[in-house]
Amino acid sequence: GQNIDQPTEMTATEGAIVQINCTYQTSGFNGLFWYQQHAGEAPTFLSYNVLDGLEEKGRFSSFLSRSKGYSYLLLKELQMKDSASYLCAATDSNYQLIWGAGTKLIIKP
Amino acid sequence: TAGITQAPTSQILAAGRSMTLRCTQDMRHNAMYWYRQDLGLGLRLIHYSNTAGTTGKGEVPDGYSVSRANTDDFPLTLASAVPSQTSVYFCASKKTGGPTDTQYFGPGTRLTVL
Repeated sequence: GQNIDQPTEMTATEGAIVQINCTYQTSGFNGLFWYQQHAGEAPTFLSYNVLDGLEEKGRFSSFLSRSKGYSYLLLKELQMKDSASYLCAATDSNYQLIWGAGTKLIIKP
Repeated sequence: TAGITQAPTSQILAAGRSMTLRCTQDMRHNAMYWYRQDLGLGLRLIHYSNTAGTTGKGEVPDGYSVSRANTDDFPLTLASAVPSQTSVYFCASKKTGGPTDTQYFGPGTRLTVL
């Protein structure tokens, strides 16, 4: 079967660093996406990885290991506005996205 | 640029009634998608369309139908609503049906079926 696992909730302190992990099992694999979703809003794109390694984009970085079926999203210098849910999604052999349930990130002052 | 618009923003619907959720994009994207999002679950694909004139079934298509008469519009119809269809519905689009393009989401429709 196809499955995406990520923690339900995480808490971190403003200014700190947090790593949100995601493991995936899909029929075929064509890349992994991370999206951010603030409460009551639509998901917005953060990153896409298809090759192994780290992709850095400002305060956000995303890592992929295809052999381990594993990705993480790293958020640095956390700000209160980073309080949101972070969705991991893997592209399967039919080019459809399989979504995790999301990780709710709570930032405390 | 508006991107993707959805209507209505929210709706309360009596069970057994029919309803069409509207989705329009102005980005000339070929592929469009309908998802539902329920608490504690990931986004689940209902139907998709890789190009105008074609549609396909996703993970949870039962009770829903779609059409894609042109590039811009992708309406989702509930023929006879049931309470289990209470959810937030998101429409999304991307440039092509290929694996690397980013999906862009509309603001969502919050539907309650009583």
